[in-house]
Amino acid sequence: GAVVSQHPSWVICKSGTSVKIECRSLDFQATTMFWYRQFPKQSLMLMATSNEGSKATYEQGVEKDKFLINHASLTLSTLTVTSAHPEDSSFYICSTTGRGKDTEAFFGQGTRLTVV
Amino acid sequence: KQEVTQIPAALSVPEGENLVLNCSFTDSAIYNLQWFRQDPGKGLTSLLLIQSSQREQTSGRLNASLDKSSGRSTLYIAASQPGDSATYLCAVTGGGFKTIFGAGTRLFVKA
Repeated sequence: GAVVSQHPSWVICKSGTSVKIECRSLDFQATTMFWYRQFPKQSLMLMATSNEGSKATYEQGVEKDKFLINHASLTLSTLTVTSAHPEDSSFYICSTTGRGKDTEAFFGQGTRLTVV
Repeated sequence: KQEVTQIPAALSVPEGENLVLNCSFTDSAIYNLQWFRQDPGKGLTSLLLIQSSQREQTSGRLNASLDKSSGRSTLYIAASQPGDSATYLCAVTGGGFKTIFGAGTRLFVKA
């Protein structure tokens, strides 16, 4: 199956700064990647769909100007949390899904963001 | 819009018990259903993947079934062990290849 690598695995930043999270598809050309957020003791919520070479599609209630997504190549999508605040502290995880017969979703290791 | 519901939200059982976790989804137009395990503070571990054309999958002490027409899946864990304690997440992949998760079942197996 596809291998998805996410970096960093954890990050602590000061309030007001920006943080970039990378998601790489190591052995699979991912035209689409997905970004999720998970608050403590809650499930994973889809934030946005990242499309290679075009604008991301955001789910309702997700601020696109705060969560900047760039998918410049078939193997890399980045999520930048701009002007982070403590309420943005969460577990962020990316995924990609196969096409055709194999539609299994493969997930990165996740990034735990703590904003102080 | 796809919604995934998991019952129960939490479960505590003595070691050795067989148990069933339930998952239901509202839109039956899915490609597949996956069961994941998540340990506290950790990422996801894929347990079982059932394609839409399949009815069940087995791996070791785990068995998952899928009834797509009724929008239901169950995860059966045989002879539970303390090491099985974790949160179990059900997720369906459907339109737009988006994967939608349930809220999870927190399982605690007592030694």
